Amino acid sequence: AQSVTQLDSHVSVSEGTPVLLRCNYSSSYSPSLFWYVQHPNKGLQLLLKYTSAATLVKGINGFEAEFKKSETSFHLTKPSAHMSDAAEYFCVVGSDTGGFKTIFGAGTRLFVKA
Amino acid sequence: ETGVTQTPRHLVMGMTNKKSLKCEQHLGHNAMYWYKQSAKKPLELMFVYSLEERVENNSVPSRFSPECPNSSHLFLHLHTLQPEDSALYLCASSQDGASGRWNEQFFGPGTRLTVL
Repeated sequence: AQSVTQLDSHVSVSEGTPVLLRCNYSSSYSPSLFWYVQHPNKGLQLLLKYTSAATLVKGINGFEAEFKKSETSFHLTKPSAHMSDAAEYFCVVGSDTGGFKTIFGAGTRLFVKA
Repeated sequence: ETGVTQTPRHLVMGMTNKKSLKCEQHLGHNAMYWYKQSAKKPLELMFVYSLEERVENNSVPSRFSPECPNSSHLFLHLHTLQPEDSALYLCASSQDGASGRWNEQFFGPGTRLTVL
């Protein structure tokens, strides 16, 4: 069975410092992995996706994530936080088995302090 | 209009009312989804339509009734809802690949529903 765990419900950083949002997954098959961002009162927007090509995936707004199969992790990072990065971030796992099963993590709320 | 649109953006209804949420996608996708997002709970997949056929239904109460008349439009009909149904309802669409590989979903802004 698939699952996804976001290890922190809240992360607080200062503007200009690095961001790390952690995600661990469980999948019997080669997974598709995604990070989405949701700003207040908005829908979810895709940040980046991993689909078994390069293990280091670059996304929008300077975010990137690294797929580590040995650690079953897909952590999201950004070298320097900006105030506009304050939002909720969701790690998502799909699968190669077909169908439409997708599992969303519980979300990590990112706070950015001036 | 581009992307995925949802109307209305906000809805307040009583428990005896009947209302409908509408979603429209302008991306040429062939799959559409309804999600429920409640405070402090993970996003819940409610229904999935692929090529206008319902392919996923996660044991949602019958007071929620989806309708997909074509690949661009999706409705969620609501009747005799409960206060605990108050949530943000998100619509999404994706392109279902022939390989069955899960592709990214594009989300609408959501409808904030309050049931009194």
